[in-house]
Amino acid sequence: EVQLVESGGGLVLPGGSLRLSCSASGFTFSSSWMGWVRQAPGKGLEWVAKINRDGSEKNYVDSVKVRFTISRDNAKNSLYLQMNSLRAEDTAVYYCVKDQRGSYWGQGTLVTVSS
Amino acid sequence: DIVMTQTPLSSPVTLGQPASISCRSSQSLVHSDGNTYLSWLQQRPGQPPRLLIYKISDRFSGVPDRFSGSGAGTDFTLKISRVEAEDVGVYYCMQATQFPFTFGPGTKVDIK
Repeated sequence: EVQLVESGGGLVLPGGSLRLSCSASGFTFSSSWMGWVRQAPGKGLEWVAKINRDGSEKNYVDSVKVRFTISRDNAKNSLYLQMNSLRAEDTAVYYCVKDQRGSYWGQGTLVTVSS
Repeated sequence: DIVMTQTPLSSPVTLGQPASISCRSSQSLVHSDGNTYLSWLQQRPGQPPRLLIYKISDRFSGVPDRFSGSGAGTDFTLKISRVEAEDVGVYYCMQATQFPFTFGPGTKVDIK
């Protein structure tokens, strides 16, 4: 059974940093593109970043470029999202997503940026 | 960025009756590899999204056959042949042809 478990969310001050983690199991992690999708409270979905199988190719939505970094550790079956210079508009549930189809989603971790 | 639109945004349906959601993209979703990366996802209340359909019409593992997808180019449709109570939720189309991948605004399906 495919499982994606996010962690690392919480309350952070504007301008602060957080690192999200996603622990994957039930599939060959190193064979899958992975991504992060966020959903602001009561709003729709926004694909934030994606990374290819070996981590050599990364893409970001314009609103997070320079501030966010996606990475992975295939030996640990883990995906990460380093978020710096956080803004109020980054407040959302962040989902770890398997592949570009969006075939499996974690339960999400809530990031709240507020003073 | 490719803009995705959906109609209707809200769809009250009668149990056992069909439902249909349309999705339109601001440009063709045909990838250079010949595939069209258009997915449909369902988000039940309080749950993460779940993949239903990918590449326009391929049903994902475990998805009931009452869900079907069709379309081409810039116009796509999700159909539910007979709505069941468990189908209540928000349905999103998503394009994965060009990054940033983008979603439609969502269509809320509920029971009349």
